Parts: sequence; structure tokens; C-alpha cells
Amino acid sequence: AQSVTQPDIHITVSEGASLELRCNYSYGATPYLFWYVQSPGQGLQLLLKYFSGDTLVQGIKGFEAEFKRSQSSFNLRKPSVHWSDAAEYFCAVGPNQGGKLIFGQGTELSVKP
Amino acid sequence: DTEVTQTPKHLVMGMTNKKSLKCEQHMGHRAMYWYKQKAKKPPELMFVYSYEKLSINESVPSRFSPECPNSSLLNLHLHALQPEDSALYLCASSQLGTSATDTQYFGPGTRLTVL
Repeated sequence: AQSVTQPDIHITVSEGASLELRCNYSYGATPYLFWYVQSPGQGLQLLLKYFSGDTLVQGIKGFEAEFKRSQSSFNLRKPSVHWSDAAEYFCAVGPNQGGKLIFGQGTELSVKP
Repeated sequence: DTEVTQTPKHLVMGMTNKKSLKCEQHMGHRAMYWYKQKAKKPPELMFVYSYEKLSINESVPSRFSPECPNSSLLNLHLHALQPEDSALYLCASSQLGTSATDTQYFGPGTRLTVL
């Protein structure tokens, strides 16, 4: 069965420090991978996506993610975190069968001054 | 522009009320989605409309009734809801809805409270 695992429920980093959020997927075919960010009480904003080609994908707000097929991973990175990056981050795979995205459980990011 | 709008932003209703949530997009997308999201959880898919036809219903109770009057508009009619239906309701749209490389764009959501 298709699934997405985000091993870290909550991460705290200092402002200016680097960030890596982990995402592992289980998907039978070629995966199509997404990272979304959700600020409190808001909708989901697409950060970046991977369909094919270069395995290092650049997104908005200075984020990037690297697809590693051998590790079934699609980790999100940012070299220097800003206080405004505090939010919930969701990794997703799909869509399949007419539109169903499979979401991970999310990682809550806190940023300390 | 990748904007999906949703109204109202907040809604409080009693268990006997009838209300509707509205979602609109002007990106020319032909697929639209309703999700329900509880606190600290990922969104759960409820319905998918593709080319104005209901293509997926994730076994949602009949007190939730979706409607897609045209390709830009999606409604969710609510009737006789339960307190456990309180959640953030998210609308999304995508270009086709059937392609594996389709990308969903989300609205800001409607925060629903059922008393």
C-alpha cells in the first residue's frame, strides 16, 4: 500500500540554523512527491514538487528537497531558518486514481530566537 | 496566479442548521476537491469533482452534500451536522484531476464549529 512517513512529529531549530525535515515514502510506481506548508489556521501552500529529472528540486521561500530513490526519501532542507518558517509541514505522494494525495502525518516546526 | 478562495472564513452552526461552504477558482482548473482537516492531522479527502462530475466520494456521510455548479465553483452543503464535524474544511483545485503529475492548490479553508 502507498504510504508516506514523516518520522519527526515536532522539530525545534534556532533562527539562522539549517533545517532538514525527513520524508519517506512507499509507492509501487514512479512517485510524484510534494511538500506543502501550513501556517496556523491557514490552508496548505505548495513549497515544491518532484515529478522527474534533476533530483534536487528548488522551491519557494528558499526551500529545496532531494529525491533519493535508493532510500525512498524526499527530505526538505533550508540553509537558514527564519522565524516566519514556523508552521506545519506535510509531505505527500501521488496523486493516484483520479486525484488522491497520500499525506504524511506532518512535522511541526518551531523556531526559537 | 494560483489562488483558490473560500467563504466564509469562519462558520458556527447548530446541529439543526443548514449552511453552505463556497469555493472558487479562476485558474481554468477542471478538478476540484473538498478536504476535512482536524487539528494536528493531515487533510482527509472527502470529494473530488472532475469536469464538473463527482468522481470520488470517500464514503462521506450524507449530511455533507457537494455541488459543482460550474467549472469554477464548488459548494459543500451542510445539514444536521454533529459536533465531531467541527474542523477546517479545505478546498483545492488542479488542472485535470486524472493525471499523475497533477498539482493541487489549496484555499485558505473555512473553520467550522458545530454546537
